[in-house]
Amino acid sequence: QKEVEQNSGPLSVPEGAIASLNCTYSDRGSQSFFWYRQYSGKSPELIMFIYSNGDKEDGRFTAQLNKASQYVSLLIRDSQPSDSATYLCAVTPAPYYNQGGKLIFGQGTELSVKP
Amino acid sequence: EAGVTQSPTHLIKTRGQQATLRCSPISGHTSVYWYQQALGLGLQFLLWYDEGEERNRGNFPPRFSGRQFPNYSSELNVNALELEDSALYLCASSLVIGVLTGELFFGEGSRLTVL
Repeated sequence: QKEVEQNSGPLSVPEGAIASLNCTYSDRGSQSFFWYRQYSGKSPELIMFIYSNGDKEDGRFTAQLNKASQYVSLLIRDSQPSDSATYLCAVTPAPYYNQGGKLIFGQGTELSVKP
Repeated sequence: EAGVTQSPTHLIKTRGQQATLRCSPISGHTSVYWYQQALGLGLQFLLWYDEGEERNRGNFPPRFSGRQFPNYSSELNVNALELEDSALYLCASSLVIGVLTGELFFGEGSRLTVL
């Protein structure tokens, strides 16, 4: 079992729809969870992080965390063609105090938003 | 403000050679991280440097090494290159707090091709 799993996609949604990206992780001790966006040929950039169970909203983006189910998701409302990219889920390994600097990334989900 | 800069952008080597990749962090960032992004494998943590010291290392053989200079720039050396070392090597930097928050700022990467 991979440590962080994501559907590779591609996930195709029409412009204006809600895109739902999912991620599961295997380390129950993981404490911090991140969503990075990577445009083709570009470097990853952090768009959301979440530490506590529940929802965290930032503009059109909502991150959802369920530690009991070891599940993280990212919702993108009113999807735009400019949202077309690969979305990487990342988690911190446990115990993080002696694994500093290390994020465990999923392989990413490719999102395509069609005009 | 300049972001994380990496050089060279592309590098072609043959098996058995050595490769040296360079990274300059964002001004004020003391931590530098190296990740490998190989096709189909996602981002894999290689090394973390902070204040000139290697703080953490991923599951890579010893022929992957590096260092951090007093100005916080860093270089990654890969000795005895193998075909499977072909990948995009991403450098990231963060403030000290970024070690805990996972907020990494990535450079555009150096693409290493081993023939």
